Amino acid sequence: EPEVTQTPSHQVTQMGQEVILRCVPISNHLYFYWYRQILGQKVEFLVSFYNNEISEKSEIFDDQFSVERPDGSNFTLKIRSTKLEDSAMYFCASRTGTSNYEQYFGPGTRLTVT
Amino acid sequence: ILNVEQSPQSLHVQEGDSTNFTCSFPSSNFYALHWYRWETAKSPEALFVMTLNGDEKKKGRISATLNTKEGYSYLYIKGSQPEDSATYLCALKEGGSNYKLTFGKGTLLTVNP
Repeated sequence: EPEVTQTPSHQVTQMGQEVILRCVPISNHLYFYWYRQILGQKVEFLVSFYNNEISEKSEIFDDQFSVERPDGSNFTLKIRSTKLEDSAMYFCASRTGTSNYEQYFGPGTRLTVT
Repeated sequence: ILNVEQSPQSLHVQEGDSTNFTCSFPSSNFYALHWYRWETAKSPEALFVMTLNGDEKKKGRISATLNTKEGYSYLYIKGSQPEDSATYLCALKEGGSNYKLTFGKGTLLTVNP
């Protein structure tokens, strides 16, 4: 069964460093998302991406964050200068199109900023 | 701020027990309600997507109901098994957004053999 994959599973970085989290969505999906869950808190929406542009972003998704779909398969989240409070589990999700509501999630990347 | 609440936060049951938990959400501007099952280190697994008031969905021993007028959904597990141990998340999609989901905090279910 097709699945969303994410790499790495765990990333440790120092404050101020740039990180890139990678996702490979399901191949025929058209809509892509990033969510995150800070330990002990709710999963929260960061950004949605369709047709090679951001369609919606939350207030968390400030200028330090960017997303890209550099080729036909990868979908990346970049954090330019990480802060301690960026430590969280980051989930990628994708879905096919407007008639199918299901979002399929990857297993997440745990980002630890020290 | 859209608030999706789940209760209880955690639940311990014995194998064979039936159990249920609740997701509550604002009833205005409802579009769809999702249930996910999430085991640690794995991808959250989609269980149900519910859109219509009165919807009832079933997948094996797990079922869910939806009341959009009063803003709640119940998830039921019949005859719990240890492999049902997981966090169960509900997530709301409101009308008008680009299909972003707003999640509850989840219910952590532990089924003891």
